[in-house]
Amino acid sequence: QSALTQPPSASGSPGQSVTISCTGTSSDVGGYNYVSWYQQHPGKAPKLMIYEVSKRPSGVPDRFSGSKSGNTASLTVSGLQAEDEADYYCSSYAGSNNLRVVFGGGTKLTVL
Amino acid sequence: QVQLVQSGAEVKKPGSSVKVSCKASGGTFSSYTISWVRQAPGQGLEWMGRIIPILGIANYAQKFQGRVTITADKSTSTAYMELSSLRSEDTAVYYCARDDGGNRNDYWGQGTLVTVSS
Repeated sequence: QSALTQPPSASGSPGQSVTISCTGTSSDVGGYNYVSWYQQHPGKAPKLMIYEVSKRPSGVPDRFSGSKSGNTASLTVSGLQAEDEADYYCSSYAGSNNLRVVFGGGTKLTVL
Repeated sequence: QVQLVQSGAEVKKPGSSVKVSCKASGGTFSSYTISWVRQAPGQGLEWMGRIIPILGIANYAQKFQGRVTITADKSTSTAYMELSSLRSEDTAVYYCARDDGGNRNDYWGQGTLVTVSS
């Protein structure tokens, strides 16, 4: 059982928007603005898509956006493209005295 | 441009230990954190722990406490993750990643497959 809860799957047609949620607690997502999102294609290493809730690393399309409300973070992919089909994982700092990192269970995004 | 290159695949017996290396090039090794994340076949990502090379301080996920040791050699810009008392459930791809602050893992190694089998 993962520390952060994500839906196992999400889907959308090309050009549409999809939002993936990531629910934690006040000890992780709700307590820190250090939520990250990673994209992983089969057989590949994860790729950072969003950090600090809503910031995009250089090179990541602005079709990807992040937000947070309370204990739930969200990743929105707008203008879906075939290459967006992948697994997506959220991650957050957690704890206090012994700061650690937790991941969500991952969401398989299918572009129909 | 930071690059992380990990050691090759390993096959281990139950009860033994494995040590995976992660050599960094580019950037300033001591100035960032190296995290270790594993992924069992068909499963999600799991954070194991991290080290701040400049301080030599590591912290670990509770699940692995006592079984994992993460170290770093600043002279060779290499981080290591050693996992002991291996069992079949430890079969996974192990990744190192650079955390440039604030849970921002922006560079990842290619992954090292560790297979635990008798």
